[in-house]
Amino acid sequence: DSGVTQTPKHLITATGQRVTLRCSPRSGDLSVYWYQQSLDQGLQFLIQYYNGEERAKGNILERFSAQQFPDLHSELNLSSLELGDSALYFCASSATSGYTDTQYFGPGTRLTVL
Amino acid sequence: ELKVEQNPLFLSMQEGKNYTIYCNYSTTSDRLYWYRQDPGKSLESLFVLLSNGAVKQEGRLMASLDTKARLSTLHITAAVHDLSATYFCAVEPSMTTDSWGKLQFGAGTQVVVTP
Repeated sequence: DSGVTQTPKHLITATGQRVTLRCSPRSGDLSVYWYQQSLDQGLQFLIQYYNGEERAKGNILERFSAQQFPDLHSELNLSSLELGDSALYFCASSATSGYTDTQYFGPGTRLTVL
Repeated sequence: ELKVEQNPLFLSMQEGKNYTIYCNYSTTSDRLYWYRQDPGKSLESLFVLLSNGAVKQEGRLMASLDTKARLSTLHITAAVHDLSATYFCAVEPSMTTDSWGKLQFGAGTQVVVTP
């Protein structure tokens, strides 16, 4: 158990809908990262937040957005969902802003878009 | 764009034998991470390699980093069934501070250990 929690574990929804994935980092960690894992794209970095501020952006679609709240938990919002958004979404956390930090991964949220 | 290539992508191991997984990357970096993922599970951190020549060992696994060759290896000694999993390497670009934390993962090596 990494200490990173994610809810929900599974999410089934329809195309065009909007969902919110939630992540709580390990106690004391200031950075939260979001990754998408799919069979065709592999593991892809989406976005990083550090102490409430967006720190780095990767291959995140415009339909996706994230934020980190004052208590350091983070939410990933996915809207206008498409079939191709079906994937495992991981949240990870690290102690500081990312330089040589080990990222600890949560259990993931499996999103299925029908 | 940073590319990370792992090979092989699939490795069938016999118990008791030694094997190596290779991770090549395309740009300057001296930070490389190895993770393990069991089916349907999360990623577990195995090693963090932070400099040229770094070598880390844990049990039957040993990882090393050659930043000049842009190559990391994960060596498995005397494979056992419990090591069956998918192993990922991930490279952290180090050119600018904007790239810190943006791990670029390889495709993963699926390892199956059989008696």
